[in-house]
Amino acid sequence: GENVEQHPSTLSVQEGDSAVIKCTYSDSASNYFPWYKQELGKRPQLIIDIRSNVGEKKDQRIAVTLNKTAKHFSLHITETQPEDSAVYFCAASKGSGGSNYKLTFGKGTLLTVNP
Amino acid sequence: EAGVTQSPTHLIKTRGQQATLRCSPISGHTSVYWYQQALGLGLQFLLWYDEGEERNRGNFPPRFSGRQFPNYSSELNVNALELEDSALYLCASSLGQGNNEKLFFGSGTQLSVL
Repeated sequence: GENVEQHPSTLSVQEGDSAVIKCTYSDSASNYFPWYKQELGKRPQLIIDIRSNVGEKKDQRIAVTLNKTAKHFSLHITETQPEDSAVYFCAASKGSGGSNYKLTFGKGTLLTVNP
Repeated sequence: EAGVTQSPTHLIKTRGQQATLRCSPISGHTSVYWYQQALGLGLQFLLWYDEGEERNRGNFPPRFSGRQFPNYSSELNVNALELEDSALYLCASSLGQGNNEKLFFGSGTQLSVL
């Protein structure tokens, strides 16, 4: 089955700096890659996602890049703010529906933005 | 519009007991997913239900089971509880019917096994 590796496990940056979180996946058939943000004591929330027919997607200060050949994708946060502090999870899946649909998550990255 | 709701928020059990966790999906969503979030292990896929049927199952023993009701709400049952079952159990829902990529999560049930 799919295996998603996420690095780093912890990341500390100064406010205003950029943060990059990287993930690799094992199943070349995976074609959907979302990122979830989980603040302390709260539910995971989808912040951005990308499909395999796109190499990059941006939403304000957040961007995701995908390299299908290398089977890795990354989350980029620019001009970080203290409210960006949270655990970020990457995930991968193949297909949309179908009996084998499953979203596989990485183990998470704890991002701390220091004021 | 109400989001995914889970109950109870916290549940304390002892080894060998059974736990029942409940989830109500977003209105209009037919797919419900259960994930286990143990410390340092990320989100581990448990079960997926759609239209009342179990569609997929993760690498968990049979004592983890569940069901989905006609109103699309779902129950997760954990029998013969073990200490390592202590974790946050998250339920998520999606539109299903071939549009089940975007998962919306509930706030979870924190299960503690003593």
